[in-house]
Amino acid sequence: DAGVIQSPRHEVTEMGQEVTLRCKPISGHNSLFWYRQTMMRGLELLIYFNNNVPIDDSGMPEDRFSAKMPNASFSTLKIQPSEPRDSAVYFCASSTGQGDQPQHFGDGTRLSIL
Amino acid sequence: AQSVTQPDIHITVSEGASLELRCNYSYGATPYLFWYVQSPGQGLQLLLKYFSGDTLVQGIKGFEAEFKRSQSSFNLRKPSVHWSDAAEYFCAVGARQAGTALIFGKGTTLSVSS
Repeated sequence: DAGVIQSPRHEVTEMGQEVTLRCKPISGHNSLFWYRQTMMRGLELLIYFNNNVPIDDSGMPEDRFSAKMPNASFSTLKIQPSEPRDSAVYFCASSTGQGDQPQHFGDGTRLSIL
Repeated sequence: AQSVTQPDIHITVSEGASLELRCNYSYGATPYLFWYVQSPGQGLQLLLKYFSGDTLVQGIKGFEAEFKRSQSSFNLRKPSVHWSDAAEYFCAVGARQAGTALIFGKGTTLSVSS
């Protein structure tokens, strides 16, 4: 079975540019999570969706960050404008939404803002 | 407040030696408990999970963890560490309610010396 697919794997861009990260969850999974991982703060939950509806976006750091899930098989995380402090590894994870089922993680997008 | 504490930021063990990684949680009710492993450049992979029943759970790669309700702990163990076990390990807790996010600890980096 295909796992969670994230693209791109690496992104290097200049400050001020718009960045779009993409995620395809595992088919049949109803919950989708976006995380950010940095050395300083570890793994932070940014936002998560249940059945394509955003449930908790309290982890989104600023209005420059936005996330959408237009359908059950696709989600985007957008940063506009990007800043150097946004440099991190961004992970997408999905699960069936049942509490006893684990989250399955993608391989992440390593983002570098120059 | 709900939280997960992994007291050890970095641990070094000799190859062939036993390993125990500590995890303590603070949660309103008995949560679901998970251990994940992250190898460099990769996403998080589920090692094992505890939901109910036997408090000693077995996972992949020879790992096991024991849930101790009285100590609010879920420590990860392995009797004999292999060099390939060098990675970062995350403990996580989740509500038994469907459609909620996990809370992750800050992680413990394991180094294996020869």
